[in-house]
Order: sequence, then structure tokens, then C-alpha cells
Amino acid sequence: DQQVKQNSPSLSVQEGRISILNCDYTNSMFDYFLWYKKYPAEGPTFLISISSIKDKNEDGRFTVFLNKSAKHLSLHIVPSQPGDSAVYFCAASTNFGNEKLTFGTGTRLTIIP
Amino acid sequence: GAVVSQHPSWVICKSGTSVKIECRSLDFQATTMFWYRQFPKQSLMLMATSNEGSKATYEQGVEKDKFLINHASLTLSTLTVTSAHPEDSSFYICSAKEGWTDEQFFGPGTRLTVL
Repeated sequence: DQQVKQNSPSLSVQEGRISILNCDYTNSMFDYFLWYKKYPAEGPTFLISISSIKDKNEDGRFTVFLNKSAKHLSLHIVPSQPGDSAVYFCAASTNFGNEKLTFGTGTRLTIIP
Repeated sequence: GAVVSQHPSWVICKSGTSVKIECRSLDFQATTMFWYRQFPKQSLMLMATSNEGSKATYEQGVEKDKFLINHASLTLSTLTVTSAHPEDSSFYICSAKEGWTDEQFFGPGTRLTVL
């Protein structure tokens, strides 16, 4: 049972444009959400997170939006840069800051120069 | 940021043999380490959580006698896949965190292929 879903396995975006990566979840107990970025041959690195008490969190070019009623979150990257090309994983946990993470399958983002 | 290494990065073994994978935190003390497994086109799935000096907590469906986890020091955890079979072929990745932080730092992963 895939509790965190990333339905787009891949996404291509022109450099300078906005990249939008989507994530859906089914477990209503999730209250903390994270995005990780992964380059080939490296482990995932933390990018940005959001607590269920918020609907938006922004950090530089990265913004995460949370729609609890729809059980949906999205990561916006603007403007997109070639170095953003990577696999992005959405993850969720049931206790704020809880260490037990449930991951999505990932979306491969390619930024076209 | 904190660095976590894994060794080996890839391993091929015969069915029935045991394989040990090491996970090290290089510049911090990892009070908690996590082991994940990822099959092709699937998500990272948590296998077990280990705290230094105590027994690992395994997720449902993960055989603790098959996947032996040792976290004997604050910088090293090992995962031993005992009597490996082809269905154990997967990508194994560890993560580690310091006690006072929430962030997990991931290793680069180990690709295991069992022939």
C-alpha cells in the first residue's frame, strides 16, 4: 500500500521556468512532510519541509505548498536551474519531526538549458 | 552538512551467502541509524531503526533473523543480509541522525545483486 505517491516519474522544464513537483498521500495521520533531492551515486539530501499546521513554506527558490483537505503537496522551484536536475522524493511522517519516514517513488526532474 | 558513507557501494554475491553492508557517520555521532531498501520503480522503504547500543526495531514484514543490524558505536551500523537469495537483490541505503536533530543524513546506498 503506497501511502505517499508521486505520480509523475519524470518531468522536463526549461531553464528559468517554474518546476512543479507533486505528491499525494493517503494517511491522514501524516503531519510532517519533507522533500529530498537525490543526485546519481549520492544519498538523498534534505531540501525543505512543512508541518501540517502550515500551508506554505518558502526557502529561496523552493516553496512547498500543502493542501491538507486534498492530501496533496507540491514543490515549486523558480527559477529552475540546470543544477536542479535530480530525482526528488516526497516523504511524510506521523509525528512532527518523527524519524520514521514514508517515501514516494520519486520524480526525475530534468532542466533543459 | 553531515556526511554518511556506505561500504561497499555495490556487491554481487552467490545465493546462500551472507553480505555485510557498513554505514558510517563521518563527522558526527549518530545516535540513531535507519536502514532502507528500494526495489526498482518503488519507493524507499524503511526496514529498521537502530539506536546505538540497543537492539534494532524492525518494520512489519522485515525478517530480523535475515537482516541483522548492529549499531555498536556512535559512528557505525552494519546490516548483514544472511543467506541471501535473488529476491534480496535491491538497493540498500542507510541514514543517520544526531540525537538532538530531526534531520536524517543519507548514505549513497549499496546495490546488492544476488545471483
